[in-house]
Amino acid sequence: QAQLVESGGGLVKPGGSLRLSCAASGFTFSDYYMTWVRQAPGKGLEYISYIGGTGSDTKYADSVKGRFTISRDNAKNSLYLQINSLRAEDTAVYYCARFARLLDVWGKGTSVTVSS
Amino acid sequence: DVVMTQSPLSLTVTLGQPASISCRSSQSLVYSDGYIYLNWFQQRPGQSPRRLIYKVSARDSGVPDRFSGSGSGTDFTLRISRVEAEDLGVYYCMQGTHWPFTFGPGTKVDIK
Repeated sequence: QAQLVESGGGLVKPGGSLRLSCAASGFTFSDYYMTWVRQAPGKGLEYISYIGGTGSDTKYADSVKGRFTISRDNAKNSLYLQINSLRAEDTAVYYCARFARLLDVWGKGTSVTVSS
Repeated sequence: DVVMTQSPLSLTVTLGQPASISCRSSQSLVYSDGYIYLNWFQQRPGQSPRRLIYKVSARDSGVPDRFSGSGSGTDFTLRISRVEAEDLGVYYCMQGTHWPFTFGPGTKVDIK
């Protein structure tokens, strides 16, 4: 049974940084594209980034380009999202999901709050 | 960017009655491989999203057969044949054809 578990969220001041992690289990992690999606409080879903199986293919939404970096460690079955220069509008629950176009498995999310 | 619109944005349905949600894209979602990457997700209150339908009409394992997806080109529909209490939540369509991939605004389904 494929499973994804996010961690690393928390309260951070504007301009700060965080590194989110997503631990994968139950499938061959390196075979799959992986995705980060976020959801601001009371709002809809926003697709922010994906990464290919080897890590060489990455894409970012304009809203996070230059501030967020997606990466993965296939030996550790882990996906990461480095988030820098945080703004209030980055406050959201961040979900990782399997696949880029199909998002068949989701984690429960990790919450990031940006506030002074 | 491809804009996904959904209608209605809110829907109250009587238990046992059908429901239908429309999703429209601002351009064709046919990808170069011939597939249409149009997915439907359900998000129950306090839960993470769950995929129900992928590639327009393929139902995920474990999803009740009262859920069905249809459509082509730019117009897509999610239908629930007989709404049950557990169907309460927000439903999102999402296109995975053109980068940036985008979600619709969501349709909130309440049960009467």
